[in-house]
Amino acid sequence: EAGVAQSPRYKIIEKRQSVAFWCNPISGHATLYWYQQILGQGPKLLIQFQNNGVVDDSQLPKDRFSAERLKGVDSTLKIQPAKLEDSAVYLCASTGGGGETQYFGPGTRLLVL
Amino acid sequence: QKEVEQDPGPLSVPEGAIVSLNCTYSNSAFQYFMWYRQYSRKGPELLMYTYSSGNKEDGRFTAQVDKSSKYISLFIRDSQPSDSATYLCAMGGGSNYKLTFGKGTLLTVNP
Repeated sequence: EAGVAQSPRYKIIEKRQSVAFWCNPISGHATLYWYQQILGQGPKLLIQFQNNGVVDDSQLPKDRFSAERLKGVDSTLKIQPAKLEDSAVYLCASTGGGGETQYFGPGTRLLVL
Repeated sequence: QKEVEQDPGPLSVPEGAIVSLNCTYSNSAFQYFMWYRQYSRKGPELLMYTYSSGNKEDGRFTAQVDKSSKYISLFIRDSQPSDSATYLCAMGGGSNYKLTFGKGTLLTVNP
């Protein structure tokens, strides 16, 4: 079974630029999560999708972050414009039906200069 | 008070030592408790998952939950250099399976 795929693995941008991250969950997993992990911290949930609907986006900074999962499979997270404090690893995770176990991708490491 | 507190370490032990990692929490609604292991530059991977108070053992790993004290632990017996990683506790409850993570404890096992 293929795991959660994410791309790109690394991204360096300047502040005020925009950036997008892509995630493809494990096949058949209906629930998809985006997390932000700042160095030395645990992952913080940004947004949770159930199929193509948003379940929880209470911690997503909506003035600059957006996410979509149009067909209920893969998802894109965008930051526009980026700030220095957005430097972090962005992790995508997915779960199957009725499962609490979240499977994580390798993450995208973002550096904002 | 943060919902989940975890000592970030770092923790350095010799090979073969018993390691004890701990988290405390304040939210009584948490129903399930997990430990994830995260190697450098990798995503977290699930190590242990418990749903109730008590102990759960898997090989060299034992997860312990004390709901009355709001305290969870992970014990690693006969620690190996390959156990060197960051260990994250995570907990959740409710129908949306949202997880709240601790900060993680960086463990180094020295050969």
